[in-house]
Amino acid sequence: QKEVEQNSGPLSVPEGAIASLNCTYSDRVSQSFFWYRQYSGKSPELIMSIYSNGDKEDGRFTAQLNKASQYVSLLIRDSQPSDSATYLCAVNPNDYKLSFGAGTTVTVRA
Amino acid sequence: KAGVTQTPRYLIKTRGQQVTLSCSPISGHRSVSWYQQTPGQGLQFLFEYFSETQRNKGNFPGRFSGRQFSNSRSEMNVSTLELGDSALYLCASSQDPGTSGYNEQFFGPGTRLTVL
Repeated sequence: QKEVEQNSGPLSVPEGAIASLNCTYSDRVSQSFFWYRQYSGKSPELIMSIYSNGDKEDGRFTAQLNKASQYVSLLIRDSQPSDSATYLCAVNPNDYKLSFGAGTTVTVRA
Repeated sequence: KAGVTQTPRYLIKTRGQQVTLSCSPISGHRSVSWYQQTPGQGLQFLFEYFSETQRNKGNFPGRFSGRQFSNSRSEMNVSTLELGDSALYLCASSQDPGTSGYNEQFFGPGTRLTVL
């Protein structure tokens, strides 16, 4: 079983729609969770971090965490063409490293 | 604040050679982690350093090594390069507020290594 799994892409959404990205993790002791955005040819950029169960909103982004279900998600509201990128879910199981999912590629259609 | 910097940005080497990559963390960040990114394997953890000590190491052969200096700058070395070592090598820094796990990591631009 992979440590971090993300819903397979690619995900294509029309401009203005909501993009929903999902991630599950295997290590129950994980304490912190992150979403990174990576444009083609660039390095990952941290866009959201979440540590407690529930929702966390930052602009058009909402992260949701459910530790009991070992599930974390990212919603992108009012999707824009500039949101077209690969989104990486990362989990910190408290051993000084991040474990990454394979990423979900999002394409926003104008 | 300046971000994480990595040098060089691009490298071309041949099999059997060795390479050293350098990373300067964000000012005030004391933890430096290294990752390898390939299309097939994704982002994989190499090692993490804090106060010149390696605290964790990923599942990579001993050809991959690293170190951290007293100013938190870090280097990684790959000896006896193989074709499969071609990848984007990413350095990330964090403040490391203890072991609470609240460990936001910020990535540098990466070093693109091509092994011929």
